Amino acid sequence: DTAVSQTPKYLVTQMGNDKSIKCEQNLGHDTMYWYKQDSKKFLKIMFSYNNKELIINETVPNRFSPKSPDKAHLNLHINSLELGDSAVYFCASSQDGGAGQPQHFGDGTRLSIL
Amino acid sequence: LAKTTQPISMDSYEGQEVNITCSHNNIATNDYITWYQQFPSQGPRFIIQGYKTKVTNEVASLFIPADRKSSTLSLPRVSLSDTAVYYCLVVNSGGYQKVTFGTGTKLQVIP
Repeated sequence: DTAVSQTPKYLVTQMGNDKSIKCEQNLGHDTMYWYKQDSKKFLKIMFSYNNKELIINETVPNRFSPKSPDKAHLNLHINSLELGDSAVYFCASSQDGGAGQPQHFGDGTRLSIL
Repeated sequence: LAKTTQPISMDSYEGQEVNITCSHNNIATNDYITWYQQFPSQGPRFIIQGYKTKVTNEVASLFIPADRKSSTLSLPRVSLSDTAVYYCLVVNSGGYQKVTFGTGTKLQVIP
């Protein structure tokens, strides 16, 4: 029983397309995150939601739109995909977003733009 | 945000103790030190967290000197399965976490 699950695991698509990545956590956590890990392995936070409310929104193109229908789900929709969007996207969750709470990560979605 | 510096890579033989040191010279009073482990094709996994002195769990120990400007992750008797990237993070306790991952240390365990 996976704690944080992302779908799909792999996503190959053409430039200009719109795609979504889904994330679900069954840990009962209040806070969820999206990270991007590029080819150089830098892991950067993109968004964070706490109880369906956006609390962290880093400098991310507005082509990226997170949606949290409930606190167990945080989906990421990307419009007009570009070559530079190729990366591994990780979803994570934590109890309440506080510093003392470890984050639990999914296994990532590898997005490749052709 | 406190920036962290750690070695890019390390090699170790199986069965040895591995110590990975992280520098965080401008750590703030409310900051915690947290370490994550990442295997290939997986997300990072929380290992250990501390504020000062020493913290130990079933996986590792974390040593933090009094000035807290550095910390050392100690992995006892590593095995091949400990080959991974280890990230040192400084996390602010105020408000919601904004976690910044650095480049990490790629540990290669050799048979």
